[in-house]
Amino acid sequence: DTEVTQTPKHLVMGMTNKKSLKCEQHMGHRAMYWYKQKAKKPPELMFVYSYEKLSINESVPSRFSPECPNSSLLNLHLHALQPEDSALYLCASSQGEGRLPQHFGDGTRLSIL
Amino acid sequence: QKEVEQNSGPLSVPEGAIASLNCTYSDRVSQSFFWYRQYSGKSPELIMSIYSNGDKEDGRFTAQLNKASQYVSLLIRDSQPSDSATYLCAVSGAMDSNYQLIWGAGTKLIIKP
Repeated sequence: DTEVTQTPKHLVMGMTNKKSLKCEQHMGHRAMYWYKQKAKKPPELMFVYSYEKLSINESVPSRFSPECPNSSLLNLHLHALQPEDSALYLCASSQGEGRLPQHFGDGTRLSIL
Repeated sequence: QKEVEQNSGPLSVPEGAIASLNCTYSDRVSQSFFWYRQYSGKSPELIMSIYSNGDKEDGRFTAQLNKASQYVSLLIRDSQPSDSATYLCAVSGAMDSNYQLIWGAGTKLIIKP
């Protein structure tokens, strides 16, 4: 069991749907991350929140919209996704942005029809 | 461009032997180094972090860092079939990159019974 919890574990959606991915951590970490991972590739950074403020947006298309309601929660809102957006979406957290290790949730397997 | 390189494998090791995984990085000012294990379809799991030159041991795992030669390695002693996974090397960048992780492509390790 990981200390970073992601829901749902699996999501299938059409290109016109709106859905949200959720991430929660109770380790007191102040940095939270969204990654996208395709098969046989390393994780690809999408967004970083530090102290609940967006600090990094790696040129992610606007159909992905992050939100950090509080220090424990991180959401990723999805709208009008494309089939190539099908991937494993990973949330991670760390004590602070920087040199400290990141701990990952189990991920959400997203399939776009 | 800052890079982290790993041999993609697969690396095949007999059960009970020592598995040796290597990683080189290009950014000389990198400060933090991590090894993650990822089983197929699962999320990355942190197994070792190392910050200074030399060896760091944790159970059957030993991480080795040589900043002068810009490489970091992971040794797994008494390899077990359950160690079969992809091992990802991640290096924390410098301050100008907000210390974000740069990932290697991963080495697939197969432990043969």
